[in-house]
Amino acid sequence: DGGITQSPKYLFRKEGQNVTLSCEQNLNHDAMYWYRQDPGQGLRLIYYSQIVNDFQKGDIAEGYSVSREKKESFPLTVTSAQKNPTAFYLCASRPTSGRSHTQYFGPGTRLTVL
Amino acid sequence: AQSVTQPDIHITVSEGASLELRCNYSYGATPYLFWYVQSPGQGLQLLLKYFSGDTLVQGIKGFEAEFKRSQSSFNLRKPSVHWSDAAEYFCAVVQELTGGGNKLTFGTGTQLKVEL
Repeated sequence: DGGITQSPKYLFRKEGQNVTLSCEQNLNHDAMYWYRQDPGQGLRLIYYSQIVNDFQKGDIAEGYSVSREKKESFPLTVTSAQKNPTAFYLCASRPTSGRSHTQYFGPGTRLTVL
Repeated sequence: AQSVTQPDIHITVSEGASLELRCNYSYGATPYLFWYVQSPGQGLQLLLKYFSGDTLVQGIKGFEAEFKRSQSSFNLRKPSVHWSDAAEYFCAVVQELTGGGNKLTFGTGTQLKVEL
């Protein structure tokens, strides 16, 4: 089955530690996205990538970093510089061919800072 | 900048009753609009989308939405709600990015509770 996988489902971090969230897709989509979800705030864009080896900052990139070395993978690192990292993180992907603007989402990773 | 407003934070309906969730958008050109649904602790599932053409669009699980340009609205409806419809619903609009590509701008969501 094609889809997007995110791991781990739950992640606990101590203050001052960096953690990396995994996002893998086998949909052959070029574009990938990371969103952060907080209660009552909807989803906010952290980073996005239109193609391998290229990515851009979204609306709330401070304290986060990404890489895009393979088409299938778009890992997100939450660094110690992120002041309030506890949130639900969602990865999405989208085909860039044709006129499709539809994004498909993974199941999410819940990060809790202890 | 584009924005999406979902004025109802919480809605409670009885099972079998009709449902309408409101969504208003701010966008200069013809928008690309989406409704997603999220169950607790899960990712977002696409319910339906509007790109152009017929202003009444049908989606999965018996949902439909109507695009009204004059009202800048894209309200989600279902004639008869089932208990399994209890979830959070998000409206979103596509926003073009200066670096190329696009992103989704989301509303803050509407939490739907279904009373049996």
